[in-house]
Amino acid sequence: AQSVAQPEDQVNVAEGNPLTVKCTYSVSGNPYLFWYVQYPNRGLQFLLKYITGDNLVKGSYGFEAEFNKSQTSFHLKKPSALVSDSALYFCALIATGTASKLTFGTGTRLQVTL
Amino acid sequence: GAVVSQHPSWVICKSGTSVKIECRSLDFQATTMFWYRQFPKQSLMLMATSNEGSKATYEQGVEKDKFLINHASLTLSTLTVTSAHPEDSSFYICSARRTQGITYEQYFGPGTRLTVT
Repeated sequence: AQSVAQPEDQVNVAEGNPLTVKCTYSVSGNPYLFWYVQYPNRGLQFLLKYITGDNLVKGSYGFEAEFNKSQTSFHLKKPSALVSDSALYFCALIATGTASKLTFGTGTRLQVTL
Repeated sequence: GAVVSQHPSWVICKSGTSVKIECRSLDFQATTMFWYRQFPKQSLMLMATSNEGSKATYEQGVEKDKFLINHASLTLSTLTVTSAHPEDSSFYICSARRTQGITYEQYFGPGTRLTVT
């Protein structure tokens, strides 16, 4: 069975500093990997995805993520954090052959302060 | 494009009553819709997958008689929580997959906060 781990419940960063939100996964075969962001009492907004090709993917709002197959990781990064980036971030994967069901990590709360 | 709406955005009901939540794809057709449940400070748990015109497929541990899902058209799926109890209080989120499009892309609704008193 596939799984997604987000080892940090919360990440704190000062505005203007780079941020990293960690994600590792376990799956048989090749994964499709996703990052979503959730603001309070809202649904999920898609940030970016890795399906195939270049390991570095760029997404919305200046976020990017790097797929590392050897480390089974897909960390989310941004060079310069904004206070408005404060939200709950979910890493998710689809394992091939699972009818495209998303498996979510437990989420990481990002807190950006002035 | 690819907007998904949910109605209501929040609802309070008394224990023992039933509540219906609607999920609509506003600008695309969705053969498949998904229903998730999210507890405070926790991840999303897939409850069921609904396919237009057929019975929903429920995840293990989800009571199909309690959480009735109907996907009567390509733009509407409903989740009815029957005989609701306080433990059913949660945030319910739906997502939809385009009928014609990349199978792994899902578009999420804004969620419905259910409180059972």
